[in-house]
Amino acid sequence: QKEVEQNSGPLSVPEGAIASLNCTYSDRGSQSFFWYRQYSGKSPELIMFIYSNGDKEDGRFTAQLNKASQYVSLLIRDSQPSDSATYLCAVQPSGNTPLVFGKGTRLSVIA
Amino acid sequence: GAVVSQHPSWVICKSGTSVKIECRSLDFQATTMFWYRQFPKQSLMLMATSNEGSKATYEQGVEKDKFLINHASLTLSTLTVTSAHPEDSSFYICRPGTSGKPPYEQYFGPGTRLTVT
Repeated sequence: QKEVEQNSGPLSVPEGAIASLNCTYSDRGSQSFFWYRQYSGKSPELIMFIYSNGDKEDGRFTAQLNKASQYVSLLIRDSQPSDSATYLCAVQPSGNTPLVFGKGTRLSVIA
Repeated sequence: GAVVSQHPSWVICKSGTSVKIECRSLDFQATTMFWYRQFPKQSLMLMATSNEGSKATYEQGVEKDKFLINHASLTLSTLTVTSAHPEDSSFYICRPGTSGKPPYEQYFGPGTRLTVT
């Protein structure tokens, strides 16, 4: 059974701080990793994807992947109240296969 | 990024009626379509996977005769909720998929909120 684990939160950070979201996965052979942001009542919005070990930066967002530890994280720098949402970690085992989702971490950025 | 549309964005129907939800991939060919639903305050649940031109594969616990999926073309898939009941009220979201080399950019449709009265 492929599993993706996330802390459900809520994770509260002050405005301007760094928010760190973590995710572990069980399938060691997984190839692609995604972070989605979901606002209440809306569809998930793709923030970042990563498939190689190391860091990948895009604006205020940095995804980090460590395949040996089966761990992927998302850092949000200079957090803004508009970043308050549920963040979903998703893992794709291989090719064009269904994503396996974590249950999401609710982030609250306090102004 | 890829553009995915869903229609309708929301629908209210009476119990016992059927509702059809369309999902279109607007700028790439979706060889696969994944359909999800999400109940309030819960995580996404994969309902079924369909490949263009073939029958859908349903996840355990999802009734294939109730949730009819058609994936007749590479840009359009439909989900029909037949004989809808209040417990089918949910947020239905599609995600087109395409084969190819990594990275796979996986985008969701905007979702359809179904309310059955």
